[in-house]
Amino acid sequence: KNQVEQSPQSLIILEGKNCTLQCNYTVSPFSNLRWYKQDTGRGPVSLTIMTFSENTKSNGRYTATLDADTKQSSLHITASQLSDSASYICVVSVPSGGGADGLTFGKGTHLIIQP
Amino acid sequence: EAQVTQNPRYLITVTGKKLTVTCSQNMNHEYMSWYRQDPGLGLRQIYYSMNVEVTDKGDVPEGYKVSRKEKRNFPLILESPSPNQTSLYFCASTRWGAQGSSSYEQYFGPGTRLTVT
Repeated sequence: KNQVEQSPQSLIILEGKNCTLQCNYTVSPFSNLRWYKQDTGRGPVSLTIMTFSENTKSNGRYTATLDADTKQSSLHITASQLSDSASYICVVSVPSGGGADGLTFGKGTHLIIQP
Repeated sequence: EAQVTQNPRYLITVTGKKLTVTCSQNMNHEYMSWYRQDPGLGLRQIYYSMNVEVTDKGDVPEGYKVSRKEKRNFPLILESPSPNQTSLYFCASTRWGAQGSSSYEQYFGPGTRLTVT
């Protein structure tokens, strides 16, 4: 069964500090991996997407890495800001392109930035 | 601006009272879907639609219906809501890449928080 496991479940850090969120998956065959940010009470918004051949992708202070051999990804947040407080969701897709969308969602990491 | 809208944003209802949550997108996407999000479970797909008049079940379709009469609209219908359908619901609109491509763009609506008492 395709699964996406995220850790930690929740994380509290001080403003200005860095943090790293983890995503391990067993999805096969693999097409791509996306990180979403979901603010409280809002829909998820895409941060990065990586295919099999990519091992890093940045979006401002967010840097995602992918190790397709070990089926692990991480999202690193640099110099955290209060606005980074949100849930971060890892989503892995199979190359279906339609039908049931072939997306497997992680349960998310709830990140709280404290001033 | 690319947008997915949902209405209502918040709804409290009683068991058995039929309700509809509307969803509309302005990107001319063929593919739309509904998810529910529950604590500790993440997002789970309820129903999806590949195009007008083409709908199919996702992972958790029991107790829900959908329709797709127009490309832009994809309403979610709860004929007889029950307390276990209390959840946060998201509509999503997706543009898939070419067949065999790994790319896709998925836009989520703002969510509808439903409470069934």
